[in-house]
Amino acid sequence: AQRVTQPEKLLSVFKGAPVELKCNYSYSGSPELFWYVQYSRQRLQLLLRHISRESIKGFTADLNKGETSFHLKKPFAQEEDSAMYYCALRAYGGATNKLIFGTGTLLAVQP
Amino acid sequence: DTGVSQDPRHKITKRGQNVTFRCDPISEHNRLYWYRQTLGQGPEFLTYFQNEAQLEKSRLLSDRFSAERPKGSFSTLEIQRTEQGDSAMYLCASSWGTGGNNEQFFGPGTRLTVL
Repeated sequence: AQRVTQPEKLLSVFKGAPVELKCNYSYSGSPELFWYVQYSRQRLQLLLRHISRESIKGFTADLNKGETSFHLKKPFAQEEDSAMYYCALRAYGGATNKLIFGTGTLLAVQP
Repeated sequence: DTGVSQDPRHKITKRGQNVTFRCDPISEHNRLYWYRQTLGQGPEFLTYFQNEAQLEKSRLLSDRFSAERPKGSFSTLEIQRTEQGDSAMYLCASSWGTGGNNEQFFGPGTRLTVL
């Protein structure tokens, strides 16, 4: 079964501290992984995708197929990073392109 | 605003009533998705259109739910005989492309409350 697990509902850190939001997935094929972010009173938006291998707003994520993980990391958290973060999986080559989301982690960056 | 739009933004209805939501995707996006999000959960896939063809429906989409995209542009999602369990945020997303590598852009959602 295709599944995305985000074990932490809430992650609270102080400004300047490192951040790691955990994401594990279950998928038998070759998945495509994403991180979506939702800031307060804004719509869900794409933060980054594993195939791009890019850093967005200082965030990076590496796909680890051995551990079936796609953790989101940032070395120094900023207050404006406070938001809801969702990890999502898309079945590669599937016709539907539907996304399977985790339950989300609320990141709270304290001043 | 050239993003995905949804109407209404909020809907309160009584159990047993029918409701219809509209989604206007980004212009020229050929793919359109509906998701549902309940409290404390991530979005869950409901259905997917490529142009006007509905290519997949989730098991979550009971026979009380119907979605259309008649001209391959806007889409409607209708829920008949609403139940309290239908209370959720209904999200629409759109994307462009014929392959698998395309970003989904989300709308602001329609929050449904069934009393």
